[in-house]
Amino acid sequence: EVQLLESGGGLVQPGGSLRLSCEASGFTFTSYAMSWVRQAPGKGLEWVSGIGGSGGSAYYADSVMGRFTISRDNSKNTLYLQMSSLRAEDTAIYYCAKVEKRMARGIIIRGPATVGDFDSWGQGTMVTVSS
Amino acid sequence: DIQMTQSPSTLSASVGDRVTITCRASQSISTWLAWYQQKPGKAPKLLIYTASSLEGGVPSRFSGSGSGTEFTLTISSLQPDDFATYYCQQYNSYSQTTFGQGTKVEIK
Repeated sequence: EVQLLESGGGLVQPGGSLRLSCEASGFTFTSYAMSWVRQAPGKGLEWVSGIGGSGGSAYYADSVMGRFTISRDNSKNTLYLQMSSLRAEDTAIYYCAKVEKRMARGIIIRGPATVGDFDSWGQGTMVTVSS
Repeated sequence: DIQMTQSPSTLSASVGDRVTITCRASQSISTWLAWYQQKPGKAPKLLIYTASSLEGGVPSRFSGSGSGTEFTLTISSLQPDDFATYYCQQYNSYSQTTFGQGTKVEIK
């Protein structure tokens, strides 16, 4: 069974930093791209960042570019999100999500893709940016 | 960036109703579209991928259709467990993805 367990959320002052972790189990972690998706209180879903299985490719939403860094340690089956220069508008539940690999006629489609449909999600960790 | 627009934002329906939610993309995304269900305090759950493929374990009353810029999620006979918020997501690019703003399905 796939399990994703986020941690590291909390209260931080504007301009501060925080590192989120997502521990994965139940699948071959290194074989799958992963993403962080956030949800501000009472709002919709916003993709934040994604990373390839090897960690060699990483992408960001414009809203966090230059402030957040996604990384992964495949030896520890763990995904990270280093957040700095935090703003009030970064207040949200942060979910890690696994990108599923889809097959067509025996071939993996969108193999190099860093994003796709997210078949598994963690329970989320709350980040509050406030003074 | 590709924008996703869902309609309606809120939908009131009764158990047994046929419900349809629409998602429109600002440019063609072929069939690179997924649908999720989210209940209060819970993580989203994948229902449909590649516009019309049903995720394993999802009841067959859920179906998706469309291609290009217009997509629909249909619930053939609404059940009490289906009252939730639904999101579409486009993943046409290999490196960026966006969600619709959500459609809340309420009890009429």
